[in-house]
Amino acid sequence: KAGVTQTPRYLIKTRGQQVTLSCSPISGHRSVSWYQQTPGQGLQFLFEYFSETQRNKGNFPGRFSGRQFSNSRSEMNVSTLELGDSALYLCASTTDRTNTGELFFGEGSRLTVL
Amino acid sequence: AQSVAQPEDQVNVAEGNPLTVKCTYSVSGNPYLFWYVQYPNRGLQFLLKYITGDNLVKGSYGFEAEFNKSQTSFHLKKPSALVSDSALYFCAVRDGAGGYNKLIFGAGTRLAVHP
Repeated sequence: KAGVTQTPRYLIKTRGQQVTLSCSPISGHRSVSWYQQTPGQGLQFLFEYFSETQRNKGNFPGRFSGRQFSNSRSEMNVSTLELGDSALYLCASTTDRTNTGELFFGEGSRLTVL
Repeated sequence: AQSVAQPEDQVNVAEGNPLTVKCTYSVSGNPYLFWYVQYPNRGLQFLLKYITGDNLVKGSYGFEAEFNKSQTSFHLKKPSALVSDSALYFCAVRDGAGGYNKLIFGAGTRLAVHP
């Protein structure tokens, strides 16, 4: 069974640009969550989608947005990039049958903002 | 608000010795607690969880964790460390009953196992 796939794995952008990251969950998983990982702030929750609906959101500015498609694939977008947005962005999926929070993570998309 | 604390930035242990990585939590209601491991340039991998039941939880790769309600702790343990256990370990708690799959992570503890 294929794991969570994130693309691209690495990307470099400049300040002011925007970026879109993609996540394909494990087959059958309907819940997709996004986390930002930085050395200073650690792992922080961005948002969670379930059946194309955002049902939870972290404390990030509106520049961070996401969506989920009918096949459960998800994208997140960051507009007007800032240097502080440089991070590893992790996507996680789960079946959500028991809502016990056991997440399956992808390897992440490492974003560098210059 | 739910939170977890990992008081040690790094834990050093010799191969073959027992290891403990500490975690304390603060939650309202029943805690849903997790341990994840991260190897360099990789995503997180689930190790084990405590939802209810026995206070000693067994997980992947020979790891176990002890839930202690009175001390609000959920320490990760392994009887005999391997060099390959060297990685970054995260304790996490689910963010309340309405938190769905939102996890609050600790800052992480780097485990270094020396030959």
